Parts: sequence; C-alpha cells; structure tokens
Amino acid sequence: EIVLTQSPGTLSLSPGERATLSCRASQSVSSSYLAWYQQKPGQAPRLLIYGASSRATGIPDRFSGSGSGTDFTLTISRLEPEDFAVYYCQQYGSSPVTFGQGTKLEIK
Amino acid sequence: EVQLVESGGGLVQPGRSLRLSCAASGFTFDDYAMHWVRQAPGKGLEWVSGISWNSGSIGYADSVKGRFTISRDNAKNSLYLQMNSLRAEDTALYYCAKGPAAVLRDYFDYWGQGTLVTVSS
Repeated sequence: EIVLTQSPGTLSLSPGERATLSCRASQSVSSSYLAWYQQKPGQAPRLLIYGASSRATGIPDRFSGSGSGTDFTLTISRLEPEDFAVYYCQQYGSSPVTFGQGTKLEIK
Repeated sequence: EVQLVESGGGLVQPGRSLRLSCAASGFTFDDYAMHWVRQAPGKGLEWVSGISWNSGSIGYADSVKGRFTISRDNAKNSLYLQMNSLRAEDTALYYCAKGPAAVLRDYFDYWGQGTLVTVSS
C-alpha cells in the first residue's frame, strides 16, 4: 500500500501568514488522485481539495493544492483564525486508499 | 443538504460483536459509493471498508478483513458495518463517509459526526 508522510508534524504560524504543508507518497500516486482534509477538534473531517488541485464546494480560494507523482502541497495563502486545525492528505489512486498521519497547524 | 447520521456504537467486550448503522439523507443514496473510516482516540484516519452503489464491489482494510462486513440497503438509504471478533485495537470513532461517485476507490466528500466504539473488558 502507498504510505503518505506529511511534514511538518506541527506548524506554528500567525494569522495572516502563509502556510505550506507537504505530503510525500512512498510511490507515485496515479492520476494525481490526492485529497486534502481539514479536521477541527470534536468535528468530522472536511474535504478541502481533490484531484491534487481542485477545491471542494464552498472552500475559500486561499486554500490551494499542487503537486504530482510523489510530492504534493497544500498552501493556505493568508491564515484566518478558523484555519488552525489538523490537515490530512489521502491518496485514492491505489487500493487500499490511505491517509497521511496529519499536520497540526497551530497559532504561534 | 447531505446528512449522514451514525448509530450503534458503544462499549463492548473483546471478542463480541457490534453493528453500526448510517442513515443517509439529502442525496440519491443509490448513486454513490459509501465508506466507513475510523479514528482511534488521538490518532489519524484509517479507511475501514467501502461499498459501491449496487454492492457489486466491496473492499476492506487488511486490519478488519474476515471480521467486519459492510452492507447497504438502498431502499432504506442506510449503510451498515457488522463488526465481529472485536479487539481492543478496534476502539475508535467510526465515521460514515460518502464517495463523490459510484466507484469504490475515491475520496470522501461528506462525513457524518461518527459513533464511538470502545472495546474493553
């Protein structure tokens, strides 16, 4: 199965700053079948990005995804207070689908 | 509005069984694949099982294969997970999640709030 490694484990930034989260796959993710989710404490995950770069319905354009092959990035252009959460990547190009271990984005 | 409401969780002894249910509304249930994803306390997300729109394609994580059975009733807009031979490591919040299409291998565009399963003696 494809192992996804997210970095950093924790990212400490201030509102207004730019956040760059990384997701690296142990083998190539076919057709850029990679998604990103946001999870806040006590809540279910929320889909942000699919197909590596397509924003889900209702997701603000400060969230963007990029990458292909084994290296993918989620960028939040200007952090809002509500963006501090845990972010997970997920690949769905190979079975079984797998998730990264998560990056916690915390307020500095 | 898409709604997924899980039920059936609780405290169960190791080796016993439990059946989870997910009631879906707000979309045409039999057009989409459905999944169970779990999250152990303080841990990340793990896909457990998925079922295609017509139950023709089913998948399981290796960690639950042979113990868990996924099913759906399109007439009742419901998804199920029969969990047998439960182990302590199955303790988790179990989410019902909707796929964006009929196929099995996909991302998850809507999630329920989860039902907690605790396996302990």
